[in-house]
Amino acid sequence: KQEVTQIPAALSVPEGENLVLNCSFTDSAIYNLQWFRQDPGKGLTSLLLIQSSQREQTSGRLNASLDKSSGRSTLYIAASQPGDSATYLCAVRLVSGGYNKLIFGAGTRLAVHP
Amino acid sequence: IAGITQAPTSQILAAGRRMTLRCTQDMRHNAMYWYRQDLGLGLRLIHYSNTAGTTGKGEVPDGYSVSRANTDDFPLTLASAVPSQTSVYFCASSDSSLTEAFFGQGTRLTVV
Repeated sequence: KQEVTQIPAALSVPEGENLVLNCSFTDSAIYNLQWFRQDPGKGLTSLLLIQSSQREQTSGRLNASLDKSSGRSTLYIAASQPGDSATYLCAVRLVSGGYNKLIFGAGTRLAVHP
Repeated sequence: IAGITQAPTSQILAAGRRMTLRCTQDMRHNAMYWYRQDLGLGLRLIHYSNTAGTTGKGEVPDGYSVSRANTDDFPLTLASAVPSQTSVYFCASSDSSLTEAFFGQGTRLTVV
């Protein structure tokens, strides 16, 4: 059974720091991996999608890497800002026959203080 | 603005009542999903649909049903609500079953 773990569960940093959020998964047979952001009481906003054949994706100050063989992904946030405060979720997509689903980690709750 | 619309935003429902949560997307995505999010349990898949006319069960389908009569709409029905169905429900869609997923803003449901 695929399990997705995110470490740390919570993180509090001063503004300007570079951050690394970690995501690990137990089954390397994933199709892709997606990082989301969730603000309190809101829906999920897609940040980055990495296909299983890719090593990394970048969007602005965000960089996500994927090492499928070791079952790990990291989300790097450069020069953090208070507006980055949110919960960050990673999800892996599994495909088996006609069935597919996203399996989510529990998230990392990030607080960036001025 | 293109996206996913869920209704209602929140609802308090008496146990035993029937309730349909609505989800509409205007991106012409083929695949749609319903998740519930609970503290400590994260997001869990309830039902999914890879294309109009087909549906499938996710991790926690009991007590829920879905239909996919057309591409845009994917309603989730609770036939007889129970307190354990108190949760935040998210609808999502993707162009295919394998591409980037987009989420709605959620429906906060409280069953009393």
